[in-house]
Amino acid sequence: AQKITQTQPGMFVQEKEAVTLDCTYDTSDPSYGLFWYKQPSSGEMIFLIYQGSYDQQNATEGRYSLNFQKARKSANLVISASQLGDSAMYFCAMREGSGGYQKVTFGTGTKLQVIP
Amino acid sequence: NAGVTQTPKFQVLKTGQSMTLQCAQDMNHEYMSWYRQDPGMGLRLIHYSVGAGITDQGEVPNGYNVSRSTTEDFPLRLLSAAPSQTSVYFCASSYSLGGGLFFGEGSRLTVL
Repeated sequence: AQKITQTQPGMFVQEKEAVTLDCTYDTSDPSYGLFWYKQPSSGEMIFLIYQGSYDQQNATEGRYSLNFQKARKSANLVISASQLGDSAMYFCAMREGSGGYQKVTFGTGTKLQVIP
Repeated sequence: NAGVTQTPKFQVLKTGQSMTLQCAQDMNHEYMSWYRQDPGMGLRLIHYSVGAGITDQGEVPNGYNVSRSTTEDFPLRLLSAAPSQTSVYFCASSYSLGGGLFFGEGSRLTVL
């Protein structure tokens, strides 16, 4: 079974509009962390935001926020006021495990294109 | 401010050749890992390590070996390269408990 599922292979958004990228996860571990990464066409992986499973509030980092719904096992990324530079691949990832043996697995990604 | 350094950035191999992708980090991170990225498949975990002397397999470990003799270094060895190992490889590191992964710039490997 997929640990991380991103159901949107591609998305379009108008510049200055908000966009939500979906991510659902599957784990039986009570302690886990969720991440979002951005990969522009240049290829580097850029860390955007992190949410711990015990965090009470949704994580925010500037224009990025993580809509964490624990019961539904979803961790959607919301980008507000989209910019042309937001065009990239976006990956959701999960860290799970305890006692030091933690693995981080990634979803297949969503390609976001921002339209002027 | 080196962070995670991967070498080489590009490599072309013939089927059956062996090679080592080098990864070094200078942040004293306990956790290091190798991923491969293929079109439409995202990043898949090959091997990971939670400290010197400790390694474990990820989702796609076949055809790859790793070792972790120091905190700083985590080389990935291809013992007998196959065309199916053509991919972009990323090394990443982090503190073992929480926090995001820091990635290297990636290594593009082509096996003919």
